Amino acid sequence: ETGVTQTPRHLVMGMTNKKSLKCEQHLGHNAMYWYKQSAKKPLELMFVYSLEERVENNSVPSRFSPECPNSSHLFLHLHTLQPEDSALYLCASSQETHVGPGELFFGEGSRLTVL
Amino acid sequence: KQEVTQIPAALSVPEGENLVLNCSFTDSAIYNLQWFRQDPGKGLTSLLLIQSSQREQTSGRLNASLDKSSGRSTLYIAASQPGDSATYLCAGWVLGGKLIFGQGTELSVKP
Repeated sequence: ETGVTQTPRHLVMGMTNKKSLKCEQHLGHNAMYWYKQSAKKPLELMFVYSLEERVENNSVPSRFSPECPNSSHLFLHLHTLQPEDSALYLCASSQETHVGPGELFFGEGSRLTVL
Repeated sequence: KQEVTQIPAALSVPEGENLVLNCSFTDSAIYNLQWFRQDPGKGLTSLLLIQSSQREQTSGRLNASLDKSSGRSTLYIAASQPGDSATYLCAGWVLGGKLIFGQGTELSVKP
């Protein structure tokens, strides 16, 4: 496989469920990101991991818990979500250098519906 | 707070037209700029990246330019085709390493 892959593509969960979104990048990048895309809103940055260390947590509620076990994998653990958390969750990766972040590459997204 | 405005929000054109999509930042202090395409229900596909030392980039029928002094970028699409129909998003890298997105321009190219 190439690029950035996300699973599952679609997820429906109740407010009391616990589930996880998975992202894997095959580009050899050193930074990974979670974004949230809601209808009629710009993409919102949730978390950034650089060299497996979380460097950004954009005031995201604790019901979202990221995990980055290595530079190729990123998870978003979900628990006790709210209906307003329904959105498209996008994973991305880039190669950071001393001059800054490089070009961003996105996965196809995980469409989450919270009932 | 840095915000990104994309104009127009939606655009419908007949096939073959040349068109320009606009993107502007409230704070002109951006260093890289990236244009993306998003098809319905899909992820974002990178189209062009303009790095801090560059003023424009070209790929096929696409040309993107960046004027840092005014904080504006344009994406020019030549000889549009129905397959170009999608939402186009611009995003700028600002100080602190954050990528700020616009809301996108929804483009429809009619055959």
